[in-house]
Amino acid sequence: GQSLEQPSEVTAVEGAIVQINCTYQTSGFYGLSWYQQHDGGAPTFLSYNALDGLEETGRFSSFLSRSDSYGYLLLQELQMKDSASYFCAVRRNYGQNFVFGPGTRLSVLP
Amino acid sequence: KAGVTQTPRYLIKTRGQQVTLSCSPISGHRSVSWYQQTPGQGLQFLFEYFSETQRNKGNFPGRFSGRQFSNSRSEMNVSTLELGDSALYLCASSIDRLQNTGELFFGEGSRLTVL
Repeated sequence: GQSLEQPSEVTAVEGAIVQINCTYQTSGFYGLSWYQQHDGGAPTFLSYNALDGLEETGRFSSFLSRSDSYGYLLLQELQMKDSASYFCAVRRNYGQNFVFGPGTRLSVLP
Repeated sequence: KAGVTQTPRYLIKTRGQQVTLSCSPISGHRSVSWYQQTPGQGLQFLFEYFSETQRNKGNFPGRFSGRQFSNSRSEMNVSTLELGDSALYLCASSIDRLQNTGELFFGEGSRLTVL
């Protein structure tokens, strides 16, 4: 079957750095995406890794190791507005067929 | 540029009824996919449409169906509603199937409650 694992909850303080891990077992792998979703809102795209290594976009970075079936999202200089759920998602094939992880709820404390 | 628009935003149905949800992708986007989001199962892929053809299908029963029109707008239909179909149904669009950014643009969703 298809499975992705993420921690269910993470708590950190403003200004800190937090890493959200994602391990996956899927049939087919084209890449790993990360999405942020605030309560009541739509998921919004953060990053995508198709190749091994680190991708940096502002305060957010994402890493992928295909040999380990593992990736992580790194959030730096945390802000209160970063409190949200974060999902990793494996793109399984040529199209837009993604398998989403269960999500990690991040709480940023003052 | 307008985002992905889904209608209706909220609806309540009873068991056995059917429902049709609509999605207008971002202008110029030709690929549309649908996801079901529930607290217990998370986000689950339903289907993907491109050029009016279903390209991928998730593991959902035949009661779930969809289509895409020539203007890229999409609809999904759920027949013979069950209590377990209560969920947030999300539509996502992208320019085409060939992009390598892995970026989907999601709408706000249609929240379906089945009583």
